[in-house]
Amino acid sequence: RKEVEQDPGPFNVPEGATVAFNCTYSNSASQSFFWYRQDCRKEPKLLMSVYSSGNEDGRFTAQLNRASQYISLLIRDSKLSDSATYLCVVNLNSGYSTLTFGKGTMLLVSP
Amino acid sequence: DGGITQSPKYLFRKEGQNVTLSCEQNLNHDAMYWYRQDPGQGLRLIYYSQIVNDFQKGDIAEGYSVSREKKESFPLTVTSAQKNPTAFYLCASSRREGGNQPQHFGDGTRLSIL
Repeated sequence: RKEVEQDPGPFNVPEGATVAFNCTYSNSASQSFFWYRQDCRKEPKLLMSVYSSGNEDGRFTAQLNRASQYISLLIRDSKLSDSATYLCVVNLNSGYSTLTFGKGTMLLVSP
Repeated sequence: DGGITQSPKYLFRKEGQNVTLSCEQNLNHDAMYWYRQDPGQGLRLIYYSQIVNDFQKGDIAEGYSVSREKKESFPLTVTSAQKNPTAFYLCASSRREGGNQPQHFGDGTRLSIL
């Protein structure tokens, strides 16, 4: 089983739609979780950390389900500028050298 | 502005040649990392360094070497032993304390074989 799994997509949605991505991780001892955004041929940029209680940043909401070992990202009111690949990132333990990256989910928002 | 600077943006390597990718950060981060990204693939860790004069191999260190003589600098050398060097190379840094610190990336170097 892969350590961090994501549906590669692409998810094609119209502007204004709500879209959700899930990511599953294999190591139940995983300690911290992040969502990154990567535009085509660019570096990944931190979108948000994912906290146990769930967290929201504007149109973006992240949730963590430790029992089922998945994290989710919800994007409301999609904008054209949200088109990108979204990377799920998991830290397997408290050490800072063990980030594991998923391959990403591609989102395409159309007018 | 604080950030991570990678250079060059594009690099071409001849057969049998070693090339060095530069990574400099002014975020005062202790930890630095090198990743490789191939098309359609996730990031894979090459080397990381937690503190000056110390570094560890990641998952795919063969054919690569690093040094960490200064806190702000973590250059990566792609040696001739790396037979498939064509990829997008990303340098990152983070605070040292705890595992809940995200990593911040430079804008990458694209390496190709001539």
